[in-house]
Amino acid sequence: DQQVKQNSPSLSVQEGRISILNCDYTNSMFDYFLWYKKYPAEGPTFLISISSIKDKNEDGRFTVFLNKSAKHLSLHIVPSQPGDSAVYFCAASANTGNQFYFGTGTSLTVIP
Amino acid sequence: NAGVTQTPKFQVLKTGQSMTLQCAQDMNHNSMYWYRQDPGMGLRLIYYSASEGTTDKGEVPNGYNVSRLNKREFSLRLESAAPSQTSVYFCASSRQGVSVLVGYTFGSGTRLTVV
Repeated sequence: DQQVKQNSPSLSVQEGRISILNCDYTNSMFDYFLWYKKYPAEGPTFLISISSIKDKNEDGRFTVFLNKSAKHLSLHIVPSQPGDSAVYFCAASANTGNQFYFGTGTSLTVIP
Repeated sequence: NAGVTQTPKFQVLKTGQSMTLQCAQDMNHNSMYWYRQDPGMGLRLIYYSASEGTTDKGEVPNGYNVSRLNKREFSLRLESAAPSQTSVYFCASSRQGVSVLVGYTFGSGTRLTVV
């Protein structure tokens, strides 16, 4: 029933290395994909997005890759920093953008 | 700028009690949303308001009502709280009509416990 899945509840990475967070979806109608970052006791904050017409989008240390045929997207963080330690959610929506479906989140820990 | 402000931050209710969660944004956003976050479930959309004067059901609307009071404010009401409504509630807003890809701005959440 979960249309957006993040199968890794947690991930630990050494500072300076690459962090790769994965997300899978089941609905082929999804056109828009967003990543959010969440610190404890705060709301999610928007990080980066991609539409289905692209397969890659970069913003500084953050890159999102989209593989539509596999219904898979990933977030790469290079280099990882201790301040990146947070829970990361992926979210997907069809063309209206009014109803985003969120994954269950991946807790990233960057070890100094 | 305050962004999205939610009140209260914490609340404990007894089963059957009612309450209203308040949300206000000062970014002149036209769309507003209520989500709940439960362990192992991610965030799920309860209701949304694409523009002032309109509201629509999301994924999990049962047991809730909403009011879009004006462009700034969007409230969520629990008429008869149940333990299954114990959750963290997030309000969000966005500049729909500009781009879906700009993301939402979330409030810091209301942690609700129903006993």
